[in-house]
Amino acid sequence: GENVEQHPSTLSVQEGDSAVIKCTYSDSASNYFPWYKQELGKRPQLIIDIRSNVGEKKDQRIAVTLNKTAKHFSLHITETQPEDSAVYFCAASRGEYSSASKIIFGSGTRLSIRP
Amino acid sequence: SQTIHQWPATLVQPVGSPLSLECTVEGTSNPNLYWYRQAAGRGLQLLFYSVGIGQISSEVPQNLSASRPQDRQFILSSKKLLLSDSGFYLCAWREGPPYEQYFGPGTRLTVT
Repeated sequence: GENVEQHPSTLSVQEGDSAVIKCTYSDSASNYFPWYKQELGKRPQLIIDIRSNVGEKKDQRIAVTLNKTAKHFSLHITETQPEDSAVYFCAASRGEYSSASKIIFGSGTRLSIRP
Repeated sequence: SQTIHQWPATLVQPVGSPLSLECTVEGTSNPNLYWYRQAAGRGLQLLFYSVGIGQISSEVPQNLSASRPQDRQFILSSKKLLLSDSGFYLCAWREGPPYEQYFGPGTRLTVT
């Protein structure tokens, strides 16, 4: 069945350094890849997404890359700050052009920023 | 703009008691609706999803059920709670374009 694998499960970086989280997916028909950030005790929040027609997307200190051939995608956070500490979930779906397909989530990465 | 509500925010229930959690969405029509459960420190487990009134798909066989009596209302129920039902229950909706998925504030359930 469909599966999304996410690595690492925990990540600790020095404040100001970069953090990278990697995911692979199994369904070659996937074409929509969102990333969510979940702070302690709160709901997951959509922070960025990428669709199959682009290879990279940036939003300030956050960037996502997609390699459809290798079926993997990554989240890059530069100049990390204490407020970046959270659990990050990657996800994949066929639903780029419809809501018909469910979103498959990775298992999450707990990111800690050391002061 | 769209808003999603869930209630109650927190709930403490004894084992064997019934459960009813409600989710409503405002500012949209005919969304896909989802119920997820998140055990403490764990990932997001999809329980049910619905593409329309009365249409429910179950992802995991268990003692929970879901119903969608109205377009923007999604209910999660149980006749008898188990200790393993404890967790953070999240409702989510998706429609569009652009077909992004958003989560509600969640209900934290503790079964004692």
